[in-house]
Amino acid sequence: DTAVSQTPKYLVTQMGNDKSIKCEQNLGHDTMYWYKQDSKKFLKIMFSYNNKELIINETVPNRFSPKSPDKAHLNLHINSLELGDSAVYFCASSRHRVGYGYTFGSGTRLTVV
Amino acid sequence: AQSVTQPDIHITVSEGASLELRCNYSYGATPYLFWYVQSPGQGLQLLLKYFSGDTLVQGIKGFEAEFKRSQSSFNLRKPSVHWSDAAEYFCAVGGTETSGSRLTFGEGTQLTVNP
Repeated sequence: DTAVSQTPKYLVTQMGNDKSIKCEQNLGHDTMYWYKQDSKKFLKIMFSYNNKELIINETVPNRFSPKSPDKAHLNLHINSLELGDSAVYFCASSRHRVGYGYTFGSGTRLTVV
Repeated sequence: AQSVTQPDIHITVSEGASLELRCNYSYGATPYLFWYVQSPGQGLQLLLKYFSGDTLVQGIKGFEAEFKRSQSSFNLRKPSVHWSDAAEYFCAVGGTETSGSRLTFGEGTQLTVNP
């Protein structure tokens, strides 16, 4: 029944590793997002996909690569993890017009050691 | 470019007291405005939103917000706070842009409720 689900909820890994976070939504929305929330709780958009097409790509290291196999899924792959990548990553979805607001997943807490 | 300022990083109120959280935005046209709440370890939940029309909007959990165009503000209010309202509150602004829809969030206001 979960509208936007992310896995895993927690991820602890060593520097230099590669990891992926998965997101799925069952709301029929056509746009999905990745946001990063830092230790000060600041939320910053990273990527947005509309119907599998990348439409927002903020200034993010190219170690981060999103992939959207279909409009219900948006995954985030991170190569060569660094300490500074530690954060909470939120997936969200919406109808394309932002006025409807986002529905957020519960987040993935990534800790790089 | 759109931006949001939440001037208060942390607010403490007593249970039963009234609450007002401030939000100022910058946007070139009529904005879409939102308030979200984040409980510890949770995702963000939409409290209310403003598109157009009545400038006083009602949301869930007894919250309301008033859009004031002249002050570029969208302050969140609740007449009587409950202990369960303790959380982080985010104001957000959005609009349709050629580069795709996006929400820009403020830095959040942490609400502590004293018994």
